[in-house]
Amino acid sequence: DVKVTQSSRYLVKRTGEKVFLECVQDMDHENMFWYRQDPGLGLRLIYFSYDVKMKEKGDIPEGYSVSREKKERFSLILESASTNQTSMYLCASSFSFRGRNGYTFGSGTRLTVV
Amino acid sequence: SQQGEEDPQALSIQEGENATMNCSYKTSINNLQWYRQNSGRGLVHLILIRSNEREKHSGRLRVTLDTSKKSSSLLITASRAADTASYFCATDDTGGFKTIFGAGTRLFVKA
Repeated sequence: DVKVTQSSRYLVKRTGEKVFLECVQDMDHENMFWYRQDPGLGLRLIYFSYDVKMKEKGDIPEGYSVSREKKERFSLILESASTNQTSMYLCASSFSFRGRNGYTFGSGTRLTVV
Repeated sequence: SQQGEEDPQALSIQEGENATMNCSYKTSINNLQWYRQNSGRGLVHLILIRSNEREKHSGRLRVTLDTSKKSSSLLITASRAADTASYFCATDDTGGFKTIFGAGTRLFVKA
């Protein structure tokens, strides 16, 4: 069964900490995405990557960075966590650019910054 | 407001009834997708309909697309308690480089 795996389901971090969220896919997809999901706001795109070492900003990249050193792994980094980054983070991958054949999502990481 | 807005925000029905959710969008699109999300989990892709298609079926799901009205509907027939979830539409607009998700419809199916 094809999968997108996010390393943590729940995470609690302190304000100012550097936080790493890891995502691994086993489908050999070139395209990977990080979204955050907040009540009433839907999914908002933070960053995406269409190839190894390539990254593009999404709608809300401020306060975040990403790393794509290997095709299967896409990491989201919160440089200095703040309480307004408390959210559900969803990683996704797709075969085609822009997800034209659908995205495969991970189970999500619920991050709480205290 | 967002591209891809679902209506209603929440829907509560009895098991066995049909559930209809609507999605409106603003710009021209290449395709429109529907996803389901169970509480606290990731999204699961349900169905994709292309801009040149008007209707698509998958099991108990029926999706329609009206590009002249910039709207889509998702019909779940003979609903089950296991259909309780949030449902999102996502649009892939012709001018941009990303897929945009709406805020979702929360469906409650009572046994």
